[in-house]
Amino acid sequence: GNSVTQMEGPVTLSEEAFLTINCTYTATGYPSLFWYVQYPGEGLQLLLKATKADDKGSNKGFEATYRKETTSFHLEKGSVQVSDSAVYFCALSDREGSWGKLQFGAGTQVVVTP
Amino acid sequence: DGGITQSPKYLFRKEGQNVTLSCEQNLNHDAMYWYRQDPGQGLRLIYYSQIVNDFQKGDIAEGYSVSREKKESFPLTVTSAQKNPTAFYLCASSPTSSQYNEQFFGPGTRLTVL
Repeated sequence: GNSVTQMEGPVTLSEEAFLTINCTYTATGYPSLFWYVQYPGEGLQLLLKATKADDKGSNKGFEATYRKETTSFHLEKGSVQVSDSAVYFCALSDREGSWGKLQFGAGTQVVVTP
Repeated sequence: DGGITQSPKYLFRKEGQNVTLSCEQNLNHDAMYWYRQDPGQGLRLIYYSQIVNDFQKGDIAEGYSVSREKKESFPLTVTSAQKNPTAFYLCASSPTSSQYNEQFFGPGTRLTVL
């Protein structure tokens, strides 16, 4: 079956540091890939997505490239802010019968200190 | 403003009681979903609905029930048969159930069984 593996947290960084969160996946088909972010006590928000190999998703300074050869979708940001402190989820959506089922990784907590 | 609302934000229940969580969306989305989130884990799918008057079990449907009588509403009932119901519950919707569509999430309901 499909699965998503993310690096464990928490990841603790100083403000303006470079952030990388690794995400690898296993899928039988040709999935779409997503990064969602969850701020404390809230629901998830879409951060970025990519729907085919070599696509790069980007938003709010975050980037991730769909790498089919390494089955990866690593999230990066060049200079983090305290406001980036949140839990980040990597997810894939693959066709299962008549619909696209979303499969989540376990999430990676990021803590940015001033 | 379009979006997804969930109520209540916090819910306390005694063992042996059924409880219903509300989810409403005004995005005109066909597909709706219920997820359960436990600490340190990703989201797990409870039920989903691709269209009004139709719904399907997800990965952890035991002890839960849903209905989809209206396009904008997808309530979840946590029954007394659910062995460990304390969790954070998230409702989501998407335009269709296509694998290319992102899912939009509500703010969540935190259920605690006393």
